[in-house]
Amino acid sequence: DAKTTQPPSMDCAEGRAANLPCNHSTISGNEYVYWYRQIHSQGPQYIIHGLKNNETNEMASLIITEDRKSSTLILPHATLRDTAVYYCIVRVANTGGFKTIFGAGTRLFVKA
Amino acid sequence: DAGVIQSPRHEVTEMGQEVTLRCKPISGHNSLFWYRQTMMRGLELLIYFNNNVPIDDSGMPEDRFSAKMPNASFSTLKIQPSEPRDSAVYFCASRKTSGSYEQYFGPGTRLTVT
Repeated sequence: DAKTTQPPSMDCAEGRAANLPCNHSTISGNEYVYWYRQIHSQGPQYIIHGLKNNETNEMASLIITEDRKSSTLILPHATLRDTAVYYCIVRVANTGGFKTIFGAGTRLFVKA
Repeated sequence: DAGVIQSPRHEVTEMGQEVTLRCKPISGHNSLFWYRQTMMRGLELLIYFNNNVPIDDSGMPEDRFSAKMPNASFSTLKIQPSEPRDSAVYFCASRKTSGSYEQYFGPGTRLTVT
């Protein structure tokens, strides 16, 4: 199973872009990169996912390097409400379905 | 849709008692997951179902834990007998088995075993 490595914590000023890195150097060709976040006391929330092309939605952008060994989640204009733990996940194929394994994540602090 | 619904939201029980946690997945979702989250161990996958069938229960800590999904709209996670180390937040999540595979999580049940 491909593993991910993320910094344990990061700070960002309100209104600035938050760039959260993730290393997944053992990712295989058919595995996707997913990002979730968990705001305190709530269940994790899906943000975005990608295979090899950059992706953008209303919440964030996902930049995946050409060799797919790392990626960056970008929150273009961080707000205080974006303070959360952000999980980078590589989807693992398993018999009968797909298994999602959450690591420790990055705790993002957005400061006024 | 109301999202994934879990009950109860909070449960306090004494060691040795049986605890049953309940989950209603999003309508139309074919996969259901049970997770446990603690400060020490983070978010752990306990078991997941596809089309009501348990696929992988390797994360279930021991025989005291059991999970069922009698139909597409209901699942239970039971702990019998409960122990203080079972204290955690238990999340249920669901997703479709086709398409983009993102999971949708419920609000969780905070279990405290004294």
